[in-house]
Amino acid sequence: GAGVSQSPRYKVAKRGQDVALRCDPISGHVSLFWYQQALGQGPEFLTYFQNEAQLDKSGLPSDRFFAERPEGSVSTLKIQRTQQEDSAVYLCASSLGVKVSYEQYFGPGTRLTVT
Amino acid sequence: SQQGEEDPQALSIQEGENATMNCSYKTSINNLQWYRQNSGRGLVHLILIRSNEREKHSGRLRVTLDTSKKSSSLLITASRAADTASYFCATDLLLTQGGSEKLVFGKGTKLTVNP
Repeated sequence: GAGVSQSPRYKVAKRGQDVALRCDPISGHVSLFWYQQALGQGPEFLTYFQNEAQLDKSGLPSDRFFAERPEGSVSTLKIQRTQQEDSAVYLCASSLGVKVSYEQYFGPGTRLTVT
Repeated sequence: SQQGEEDPQALSIQEGENATMNCSYKTSINNLQWYRQNSGRGLVHLILIRSNEREKHSGRLRVTLDTSKKSSSLLITASRAADTASYFCATDLLLTQGGSEKLVFGKGTKLTVNP
């Protein structure tokens, strides 16, 4: 079956622009996670949804970052007034269960470059 | 901040040799997972080991866990060029808000398997 898909795969934004990154999880997966991965680093947790409920957003770097999953499936990560430090790969993952002991399936990521 | 630290940061071996990567972490965990990331397939789950397990095998992969030392190792036997990738350990961290959990990734070991 289809895996996790993300769009766009690449995004170049001028500093100050708003961007929206989309994640389509595997159908039926309850949990959805967003991660930020800087070059040469491991992914860092941003936020977590269980169905449509955003149970934790403690990893969001600032109030310029906003995520939603209104119908419990597709999720959007929005970054307002982008800054150069926002340049990174944004990964989305979904899993069947509500515990992190369930395997997470990752999308290919969106590489955001802020110029 | 990242809880896991992989060692070495980079490893280069010849095809057919074994590759060993280590991960150390700081706080108590329920589970530890290993993931692989390459440019072709993104981040892929390899294996999960629970805190009450000491060793686990999956094909050419062998994972050990020593909770007293807060460390884990990943052994890849009879390596192939296709094993070239970055390998990350990820530990679960109980979030106080909402009782949910998140995965905390290390910085990764970059493995190169030369044909």
